Amino acid sequence: KQEVTQIPAALSVPEGENLVLNCSFTDSAIYNLQWFRQDPGKGLTSLLLIQSSQREQTSGRLNASLDKSSGRSTLYIAASQPGDSATYLCAVEGTGANNLFFGTGTRLTVIP
Amino acid sequence: NAGVTQTPKFQVLKTGQSMTLQCAQDMNHNSMYWYRQDPGMGLRLIYYSASEGTTDKGEVPNGYNVSRLNKREFSLRLESAAPSQTSVYFCASIGRDRGRGLNEQYFGPGTRLTVT
Repeated sequence: KQEVTQIPAALSVPEGENLVLNCSFTDSAIYNLQWFRQDPGKGLTSLLLIQSSQREQTSGRLNASLDKSSGRSTLYIAASQPGDSATYLCAVEGTGANNLFFGTGTRLTVIP
Repeated sequence: NAGVTQTPKFQVLKTGQSMTLQCAQDMNHNSMYWYRQDPGMGLRLIYYSASEGTTDKGEVPNGYNVSRLNKREFSLRLESAAPSQTSVYFCASIGRDRGRGLNEQYFGPGTRLTVT
């Protein structure tokens, strides 16, 4: 069974810093990897989706990379802002599966 | 375009009571999902429906039933609630990003359920 791990579980940074969130997965036979944002008491919002054949995706200040062979993905956030404070989850979709396997998330706090 | 909607937002049940969580999407997606989210465990799939009229078990189906009423609606039923079912429940649908040809999941706002 696919297992997805996110480290650290929580992270606090001062406003303006660049930061990296990490995601690792045990089975490299994936179809795609998705990064989500979850605000307290809310649902999940998709941030970036990387197909297994891709190495990275960018959206504004966010850049997600994927190294399928090593089972790792990173989410890079440039010039962090207090509005970036949320929990960030990564999820992998296996080939032939109708399921996303989620990590437990990294809770990010950006301090003004 | 409301996306994925869920009702109710909050619910408190006593052990043994039953209830149905409702989910609807207006994006014409074929696939719909029910997840539960528990602290320290991430989201786990309960049931999914690849298309209208079909449903399949996910990772944690015990104690739940589902109905795919039509293409828009996918409901989750707890027949006899137990304290272990205290959780936040999310419905999701999957749709194709035409620009990149990739499937992407869209989530509802969640239902926070407490079973006492």
